[in-house]
Amino acid sequence: QVQLVESGGGLVKPGGSLRLSCAASGFTSTGSYMSWVRQAPGKGLDLIAYIGISSDNAIYHADSVKGRFTISRDNAKNSLNLQMNSLRAEDTAIYYCTRARSGTFDYWGQGTLVTVSS
Amino acid sequence: EIVMTQSPATLSVSPGERASLSCRASQSVGSKLAWYQQKPGQAPRLLIYGASTRATGIPARFTGSGSGTEFTLTISSLQSEDFALYYCQQSNNWPWTFGQGTKVEIK
Repeated sequence: QVQLVESGGGLVKPGGSLRLSCAASGFTSTGSYMSWVRQAPGKGLDLIAYIGISSDNAIYHADSVKGRFTISRDNAKNSLNLQMNSLRAEDTAIYYCTRARSGTFDYWGQGTLVTVSS
Repeated sequence: EIVMTQSPATLSVSPGERASLSCRASQSVGSKLAWYQQKPGQAPRLLIYGASTRATGIPARFTGSGSGTEFTLTISSLQSEDFALYYCQQSNNWPWTFGQGTKVEIK
C-alpha cells in the first residue's frame, strides 16, 4: 500500500538549515505530483512546495518560503526532499509530505516537526 | 489567491445527529474542491474530492455537495470517530489553498 515517511525534522536555531526527506513506497514517486504541506502549532494547513512529474518540470514554492526552501526529488531513492535554509521562528510547524493527484492530496505522511528557536 | 472561508469555526453536535459544514470560495473554483478530516496528533485524511466524490474507504454518511463558490460537507449521523477538524481545499487556481477549518465537537 502507499506509504509516505518523513524524516529530518528537529530543533534548529533561527538562520539555520534543515533538510527534510520523504520516503515513498507502494508507488513510484517520480511518476506522481508531490508536495509539502505544513501546519503551524494550533493552525491550519498551508501548501508550501509542489513538484510535478519529470515531463513537465513544474515546481512551486509559496511566497512565504520562496528563496529559502527548495523542493526536489531523489529518483534513485524514490523520495522527496525539502531543503530549508534561513529558517525563521514562523517556520515552526509540522511538515507533511503528500502525494497530489488532480489537485487533491490523496496520501499524507505522518509529519515531521520542525522547531525554530534559539 | 483564492480565499477559502469555512463556517462555523466550531460545530457542537450530539452523536447520531446530522452535521453540515460550509466552505465558501472568494471566486469560483468549479468542482475543484476537496474535504479532509484531521484528528488530534494525526495527519489529515482525504474524505471528498471533486466536490462530491468520496475517497476510497470513506463511509457513505459523508456527503459533499456544491459547486462554484458554495460547498457543503454533510455527515448524516455523527459517530464518535467523526468528532475532528475538517478542512476544505481548492485546486482550481494556483496556489491551491485551504480553509481555516471547522471543529466538530461533542455537544
